[in-house]
Amino acid sequence: AQRVTQPEKLLSVFKGAPVELKCNYSYSGSPELFWYVQYSRQRLQLLLRHISRESIKGFTADLNKGETSFHLKKPFAQEEDSAMYYCALGRYSGGYQKVTFGTGTKLQVIP
Amino acid sequence: DTAVSQTPKYLVTQMGNDKSIKCEQNLGHDTMYWYKQDSKKFLKIMFSYNNKELIINETVPNRFSPKSPDKAHLNLHINSLELGDSAVYFCASSQALGQGTGELFFGEGSRLTVL
Repeated sequence: AQRVTQPEKLLSVFKGAPVELKCNYSYSGSPELFWYVQYSRQRLQLLLRHISRESIKGFTADLNKGETSFHLKKPFAQEEDSAMYYCALGRYSGGYQKVTFGTGTKLQVIP
Repeated sequence: DTAVSQTPKYLVTQMGNDKSIKCEQNLGHDTMYWYKQDSKKFLKIMFSYNNKELIINETVPNRFSPKSPDKAHLNLHINSLELGDSAVYFCASSQALGQGTGELFFGEGSRLTVL
């Protein structure tokens, strides 16, 4: 079974401080990991994927298979980063994709 | 221009009633999903359809019945509503296996309140 754990429900940081949103996963195969973000009153949208190895809005995330983690990081938090962040694991089964989301972490950036 | 649209956005109803939420996507995707987000913001998959066929049903009560008249639409009908059904329901879509990035495109959500 696949599982995604986000241990922090709420993370409060000051503007300009580094941010790290934790995500651990449990899956026996080769996972595809994603971070989705939900800004206030907006729909969920993809922030980044592990296979693209890109930086979006200053955020990066590295897949660590040894630690089964996919933590989301940003060196300097901005107020506009305040949102709900979901880590997600995608796997293909029977030819179809199934995406499991973590419980989410609310990031609050204090001015 | 909206990629994934859901109606209604808000729904307030009494226990025991039957209600439907509609979802449409204009992205040409083959796969559509329904997710439930509860009051604690947990996001859990309910159903997934690929080209009108049910492929994922995550132990959802029989009172919930999805219907996909074509691959661009996935509607959710709920019978005999209960208090615990109060949540935000999100529709999403994605490209078929091997044809995309695996990204899910979400609708804005439909907030259901059962009194």
